[in-house]
Amino acid sequence: DAGVTQSPTHLIKTRGQQVTLRCSPKSGHDTVSWYQQALGQGPQFIFQYYEEEERQRGNFPDRFSGHQFPNYSSELNVNALLLGDSALYLCASSQGETQYFGPGTRLLVL
Amino acid sequence: GENVEQHPSTLSVQEGDSAVIKCTYSDSASNYFPWYKQELGKRPQLIIDIRSNVGEKKDQRIAVTLNKTAKHFSLHITETQPEDSAVYFCAASFESGGYQKVTFGTGTKLQVIP
Repeated sequence: DAGVTQSPTHLIKTRGQQVTLRCSPKSGHDTVSWYQQALGQGPQFIFQYYEEEERQRGNFPDRFSGHQFPNYSSELNVNALLLGDSALYLCASSQGETQYFGPGTRLLVL
Repeated sequence: GENVEQHPSTLSVQEGDSAVIKCTYSDSASNYFPWYKQELGKRPQLIIDIRSNVGEKKDQRIAVTLNKTAKHFSLHITETQPEDSAVYFCAASFESGGYQKVTFGTGTKLQVIP
């Protein structure tokens, strides 16, 4: 049984560029949540997708957008990258209350 | 919204000693409290969780206690080992509109000294 997977593992971008991160949930899970984890901080909730719709969102600007596909996989898109967007981006899947995290994508914005 | 405070931010213990990490939450609607362990460069891994209808839960060397009245919960690790060294995150979660809203604490870096 595959766990949560994310791609790519690492990414380097420059300010102003756009990035797309991908997540495949654990088998049987229908809900995907995205988090941003800055160095030395706890995960900060970005948004959550269920049945291909965003159903809750944290305090992140509209530059952060996402999508969920019929197979429950999900993408996180960030436009107009800022230096402050450098972080580990974690995807978590769930069916019910328990979330399981993927390995994350480490994004560096130069 | 929910606010979760976690203390201490760093904790050093001798191998074999116990470690305790404490969290408080603000929203009395929170009813599910997971704990995650994150080793350097790795994903957060669920190590134990507790629901609001339970006061204590134990799994081998790990235990979690919950005081709903005081809105705090704690992680207890006994007989610590070097491999317990990691960052530990608490979280508080409640159901709203048919889905779970999860808020994480800021993390505790635990160092177990051999």
